[in-house]
Amino acid sequence: AQTVTQSQPEMSVQEAETVTLSCTYDTSENNYYLFWYKQPPSRQMILVIRQEAYKQQNATENRFSVNFQKAAKSFSLKISDSQLGDTAMYFCAFILNAGNNRKLIWGLGTSLAVNP
Amino acid sequence: ETGVTQTPRHLVMGMTNKKSLKCEQHLGHNAMYWYKQSAKKPLELMFVYSLEERVENNSVPSRFSPECPNSSHLFLHLHTLQPEDSALYLCASSLSTGLSGYTFGSGTRLTVV
Repeated sequence: AQTVTQSQPEMSVQEAETVTLSCTYDTSENNYYLFWYKQPPSRQMILVIRQEAYKQQNATENRFSVNFQKAAKSFSLKISDSQLGDTAMYFCAFILNAGNNRKLIWGLGTSLAVNP
Repeated sequence: ETGVTQTPRHLVMGMTNKKSLKCEQHLGHNAMYWYKQSAKKPLELMFVYSLEERVENNSVPSRFSPECPNSSHLFLHLHTLQPEDSALYLCASSLSTGLSGYTFGSGTRLTVV
């Protein structure tokens, strides 16, 4: 079965500091893509970062970076220089690059509060 | 207008009402999705349309009826809902493989009274 586990239901960080959100996943497949999505109070799910499993180099997008450990099936998100606007739910997900019926497998999310 | 647009933003309906949720995208995507988001639960994929054909129906009760008249529009028709159907309903779109990620709308907050 394909699963995603986010072990931290809630986290908080001070503005300008760095925080890491954890994510582990389980799949027997070798070819897949991983994502982190952010859902602020406005409710719109926004794609933060995407990682191709066959690439060893960790993806980065400005203040957001991942630590992708394929053997450990771990995909953590690091937010540097946290800003108040980073307050949101963060969801980890992956999709298999196989078959005709691809769908995102989601974690339960981590609620991040950035404090002034 | 860019992105994925959902209307209405909020909806309160009685259990005997009939209403529809609308989703529209002008991103050139050819796959569209309906998700149900409830507190403390994983996102639930309800329906998937690819090239305007329904390719997935995850055992969703028949009181939810999707419609995809073209690749830019997706509807979710609601009738005789139950209070437990109260949730945030999210629409998303993607290229057919989904490998680039999905683009989501802001959702419809549905309350069934």
